[in-house]
Amino acid sequence: GNSVTQMEGPVTLSEEAFLTINCTYTATGYPSLFWYVQYPGEGLQLLLKATKADDKGSNKGFEATYRKETTSFHLEKGSVQVSDSAVYFCALRGGTSYGKLTFGQGTILTVHP
Amino acid sequence: NAGVTQTPKFRILKIGQSMTLQCTQDMNHNYMYWYRQDPGMGLKLIYYSVGAGITDKGEVPNGYNVSRSTTEDFPLRLELAAPSQTSVYFCASSNPGQGSDEQYFGPGTRLTVT
Repeated sequence: GNSVTQMEGPVTLSEEAFLTINCTYTATGYPSLFWYVQYPGEGLQLLLKATKADDKGSNKGFEATYRKETTSFHLEKGSVQVSDSAVYFCALRGGTSYGKLTFGQGTILTVHP
Repeated sequence: NAGVTQTPKFRILKIGQSMTLQCTQDMNHNYMYWYRQDPGMGLKLIYYSVGAGITDKGEVPNGYNVSRSTTEDFPLRLELAAPSQTSVYFCASSNPGQGSDEQYFGPGTRLTVT
């Protein structure tokens, strides 16, 4: 079956530091890949996505590239802000899954001033 | 346009009690989903629906039931609550037929069973 593995957290950074959150996946076929973000007390929001190999998703300064050869979709941001403090989830959607998502365990990011 | 709304926000149940978690969306989405989120874990799919009158089990359906009588509403029923059902429950909706596979999430219901 499908599975998603994220790097262990939590991650604590100073403002303006570089961020990487690793995500690898196992899936049959050609899944779509997503990063969702959950701010304190809120539901999840889509941050970015990529639907085929070598696609790069980007939003709000975050980027992730769909790497089929390494089955990875690592999230990066060049300079984090305090407002980026949240929980980040990597997820995949299989090709025939009626939109169902498989999530990683989530990574807590805390950014200090 | 309120998106996906869930009620209640918080609830404490005693073991063996029952309750219904409400979920409503006003985006005319065909697909709706219920997930649970346990501490330190990702979201697990409980049930999903691809349209009114059509539901199916997800990864962790035991102890839950759903119905989908309208496009807007997708309630989740807990029968005979158990401590293992202590979790945060999220409802989501999407409409892949409109060319977008983004899921829109509600704010969640935090349930404690004691």
